[in-house]
Amino acid sequence: GNSVTQMEGPVTLSEEAFLTINCTYTATGYPSLFWYVQYPGEGLQLLLKATKADDKGSNKGFEATYRKETTSFHLEKGSVQVSDSAVYFCALSDLRSYGKLTFGQGTILTVHP
Amino acid sequence: GAVVSQHPSWVICKSGTSVKIECRSLDFQATTMFWYRQFPKQSLMLMATSNEGSKATYEQGVEKDKFLINHASLTLSTLTVTSAHPEDSSFYICSATLGQGGETQYFGPGTRLLVL
Repeated sequence: GNSVTQMEGPVTLSEEAFLTINCTYTATGYPSLFWYVQYPGEGLQLLLKATKADDKGSNKGFEATYRKETTSFHLEKGSVQVSDSAVYFCALSDLRSYGKLTFGQGTILTVHP
Repeated sequence: GAVVSQHPSWVICKSGTSVKIECRSLDFQATTMFWYRQFPKQSLMLMATSNEGSKATYEQGVEKDKFLINHASLTLSTLTVTSAHPEDSSFYICSATLGQGGETQYFGPGTRLLVL
C-alpha cells in the first residue's frame, strides 16, 4: 500500500534560517504529491503540489520537487518567518485510491524571532 | 476559490447525545467529500469517503452505525456522531474535491468535539 514518511520533529529555527523538511513515499502507481500546512486550531491548507516526476511545486517561498528516482518530495524555504510556525504534512494520492490522501505524520515547525 | 466550511467550529455535548457536523463547499460542487479525525499532535486519520447520492465508504475500523454520513447534495455532507462518548472527543475535519481520482482536496477548518 501507499505510505508517506516525514522527518520527525519538532523543528525549531531562528527567523531567516533555511528550512528543509524531508518527505519520502512508497506508492505502486504514479502518485500526485502534496504539502499541506496546519496553523494552530485550524484545518489544513494546501501549500503546494506536484503531479508528475520532476515537477516543482512552489508557493509563499516554499518549494518541493517531485523526485521519482529517490521517491522524495522534500519541502524547502530559503528564509523562514515567525508566521511560518505550523504543522506541515506531506501527502500523496493516486488514481487507484480514488483521490484518497495518505498523510505523513506531520512535522511541527517553530520559528523564533 | 475552493472554500470549504464546517459548522459548528466547536461543540460540547453530554455523553449519550448525538452531534451533527456539517461540511459545505461554498463556491464549487464537490463530487467527493472526505471525513477525517485528528487526535492531538497526530496526523489525520481518514474515516470515510462520501459521494453525493450514494452510501459512504468507511475505512477499516470505523463504525458506520456510530458515525453516520449523509451526502445529500453536491455542496453538503454531514457527519453525525451518534450516542457520543468521551472517547469520541476529537478534531473532525472534512475535505472536498472537484472530481474523482488524484484531485486536490480542499479542507474545512475543522470541528472540535468535546464529549463530557
